[in-house]
Amino acid sequence: AQKVTQAQTEISVVEKEDVTLDCVYETRDTTYYLFWYKQPPSGELVFLIRRNSFDEQNEISGRYSWNFQKSTSSFNFTITASQVVDSAVYFCALNDYKLSFGAGTTVTVRA
Amino acid sequence: DVKVTQSSRYLVKRTGEKVFLECVQDMDHENMFWYRQDPGLGLRLIYFSYDVKMKEKGDIPEGYSVSREKKERFSLILESASTNQTSMYLCASSSPGGGTEAFFGQGTRLTVV
Repeated sequence: AQKVTQAQTEISVVEKEDVTLDCVYETRDTTYYLFWYKQPPSGELVFLIRRNSFDEQNEISGRYSWNFQKSTSSFNFTITASQVVDSAVYFCALNDYKLSFGAGTTVTVRA
Repeated sequence: DVKVTQSSRYLVKRTGEKVFLECVQDMDHENMFWYRQDPGLGLRLIYFSYDVKMKEKGDIPEGYSVSREKKERFSLILESASTNQTSMYLCASSSPGGGTEAFFGQGTRLTVV
């Protein structure tokens, strides 16, 4: 069974629009970690952000922000004022012993 | 600069061949992982290792095995390659602890004909 679900397969926006990526996870553990990774066209996955299960405080880092809600098992990620360089595949991941990834969301930012 | 290096970017193998994919990391990481990436399925965990000579099955271990004789090297073995193993294979490593980020290699595009 998929432990990490990214319901959005593809998102296309015009530059400067905000983009929100949804992620729903499933785990029985009380201690776990959530991540977002970016895979640009070059192919190498790059770590973006992380959150542990005990810290539900939402944060902003530059143009990135994230919304962690334990009650709904969701860990959504927003890119504010998108740029063409944000075009990539974005993966949500859960580490509750194994590091599991979702299917990814392809984001296309058009100039 | 931290590095995870996979021995080949592209490989073409014949059905039934035994295939070795090699991964080396220079960060002294305890944890190492092998994933395969297929369109629409994301990254699926094949095997992982939290220490030398230790290995654990991931979500899709069938048809694969691994070897970790040294801390820096984690090998993925396809015992008898089949066409349904044509895929992009990604290696990753991380420090101990669930909250540390994983560093990925460039990937190996394997085609089995």
